[in-house]
Amino acid sequence: TQLLEQSPQFLSIQEGENLTVYCNSSSVFSSLQWYRQEPGEGPVLLVTVVTGGEVKKLKRLTFQFGDARKDSSLHITAAQPGDTGLYLCAGASTNAGKSTFGDGTTLTVKP
Amino acid sequence: GAVVSQHPSRVICKSGTSVKIECRSLDFQATTMFWYRQFPKKSLMLMATSNEGSKATYEQGVEKDKFLINHASLTLSTLTVTSAHPEDSSFYICSAHQVSSYNEQFFGPGTRLTVL
Repeated sequence: TQLLEQSPQFLSIQEGENLTVYCNSSSVFSSLQWYRQEPGEGPVLLVTVVTGGEVKKLKRLTFQFGDARKDSSLHITAAQPGDTGLYLCAGASTNAGKSTFGDGTTLTVKP
Repeated sequence: GAVVSQHPSRVICKSGTSVKIECRSLDFQATTMFWYRQFPKKSLMLMATSNEGSKATYEQGVEKDKFLINHASLTLSTLTVTSAHPEDSSFYICSAHQVSSYNEQFFGPGTRLTVL
């Protein structure tokens, strides 16, 4: 069974601060996704990383896939209240669709 | 982007009744759909994998006779919670997978089920 450990579980910061969320596993993934979910809604796909060492940027969000494709990180620069939500990482060892989800990081950005 | 709808968004029912939740991929064909259950401030718990035209694959601990899944077309999957009880109250979310994607899942907006 593949496990994805996500940390921290909860994060409360002030607007303008930077933060990093980590997603770690002992398993190798063929791809890894990051999603963001707001209360009462479904998760929304932010990014997919597939190549070891890959770095992708989405405005103030920077996603990195580990060289061994076992871990990933999400870094947010100058966080804003609109970044508040549950961040989920998900990894899969094949492209058949089924993914393993991390436990999630609940981020609160205070104005 | 790929759009997935889910209906109803909220449902309140009496204990012992059955509730059907629909999940539709609106602008793409989904050979595989997933059904999740989510508890407050927790991650997604996969219940079952639904493949078009075949029986669903249930995760360990999920009762197949209680949570009936039908995936009759490439754009529609349904989850029926049979003989619902208060402990079935939860947030149910479906997702659809595009064959050509890297395991990217596109989620519906979720259904809040409350069983009285």
